[in-house]
Amino acid sequence: GQQLNQSPQSMFIQEGEDVSMNCTSSSIFNTWLWYKQDPGEGPVLLIALYKAGELTSNGRLTAQFGITRKDSFLNISASIPSDVGIYFCATITSGSRLTFGEGTQLTVNP
Amino acid sequence: DTEVTQTPKHLVMGMTNKKSLKCEQHMGHRAMYWYKQKAKKPPELMFVYSYEKLSINESVPSRFSPECPNSSLLNLHLHALQPEDSALYLCASSRMGLHNEQFFGPGTRLTVL
Repeated sequence: GQQLNQSPQSMFIQEGEDVSMNCTSSSIFNTWLWYKQDPGEGPVLLIALYKAGELTSNGRLTAQFGITRKDSFLNISASIPSDVGIYFCATITSGSRLTFGEGTQLTVNP
Repeated sequence: DTEVTQTPKHLVMGMTNKKSLKCEQHMGHRAMYWYKQKAKKPPELMFVYSYEKLSINESVPSRFSPECPNSSLLNLHLHALQPEDSALYLCASSRMGLHNEQFFGPGTRLTVL
């Protein structure tokens, strides 16, 4: 089946640093989504991308839909302790199915 | 209102019990979903309802029985579960067609003893 390769698997950073993570695939997609999940909670949608080349910001978060439609990245600027969590990329495939990456575990040291 | 609600937040049940998980959304979404999530893994799709009809069953064992009473509500009936069914169960909803990103509820943490 379709697979999303998300990296890095985990990141340990200092408060105030910028963060970058990405997802790649061998398949072409029409949508890229980025979610954040806190422990014991459901994923929260951060950014939705629908057009190749699209660059979208949400506060300190910026995400881009790759021009080849096979990849996407998420940047977080000036990280703060509440940015801690697992970040998932996802795409929408047949039947409204979501395909998820394996996630990036972010730890922010104060 | 952009919220998906789920009850209960936590559930502990024995292998012979019957229980139900409930999900509600008032965003006018006509697609609703059940996912199962194990620790540190992405959510796995179980069921999809489109316009209150079951459209996808990802080969889920029959001890899980979904129900969609109306366009705002989604239930998951549980019976004779196994300890390995312990997980976070997530409900989600979305529009149909374009811009159909899914919005998730907070989940039900299920423990089967």
